[in-house]
Amino acid sequence: GAVVSQHPSRVICKSGTSVKIECRSLDFQATTMFWYRQFPKQSLMLMATSNEGSKATYEQGVEKDKFLINHASLTLSTLTVTSAHPEDSSFYICSATRGGTSSYNSPLHFGNGTRLTVT
Amino acid sequence: QKEVEQNSGPLSVPEGAIASLNCTYSDRVSQSFFWYRQYSGKSPELIMSIYSNGDKEDGRFTAQLNKASQYVSLLIRDSQPSDSATYLCAVEERGSTLGRLYFGRGTQLTVWP
Repeated sequence: GAVVSQHPSRVICKSGTSVKIECRSLDFQATTMFWYRQFPKQSLMLMATSNEGSKATYEQGVEKDKFLINHASLTLSTLTVTSAHPEDSSFYICSATRGGTSSYNSPLHFGNGTRLTVT
Repeated sequence: QKEVEQNSGPLSVPEGAIASLNCTYSDRVSQSFFWYRQYSGKSPELIMSIYSNGDKEDGRFTAQLNKASQYVSLLIRDSQPSDSATYLCAVEERGSTLGRLYFGRGTQLTVWP
């Protein structure tokens, strides 16, 4: 079964509103989670690294004030898209790792993704 | 970001054929390499991982790594229509945060019956 749960799977919101997406590790503690965004026929673009108990690390070009990340516990990270606009419509995916020395030995687990549509 | 290049395709092969997917990456500090399969509207699922030069086989899948050429490939033998998906190549950099992967754009594979 799924080891990383992402909710909601689909959301439609109006321009200017905020949307919160949750990512939960179900049977392990994840000190680090990752948030990706994927536009149609494009690759997964890493947006930020979410660290439990500390500020997220954002990739170059990602607006940290627009994409708020909170990793308040070892099993939950949230991504809030603030003041959403149609260009924010995308597929957002989170991932988490159980920990270790390499992703080769400790593969990433992905959530099922959230399809965000901003009208 | 690190560059991970893939031929976007589409790659079309008949059922039962071998599908060959290729990926190159831009620097030599990459240490682990991954192939993910992604169906439309779904999240990626891990197919193969490899970190040492040579071949690694798992069922119908073989990953090949050549670090000198900065090249990793995925072969799918006896391709099935259910293999039709987008295949993403990903690399992990040595010393980077665990789980921090860089993805290629993906190659769309269609296996026709």
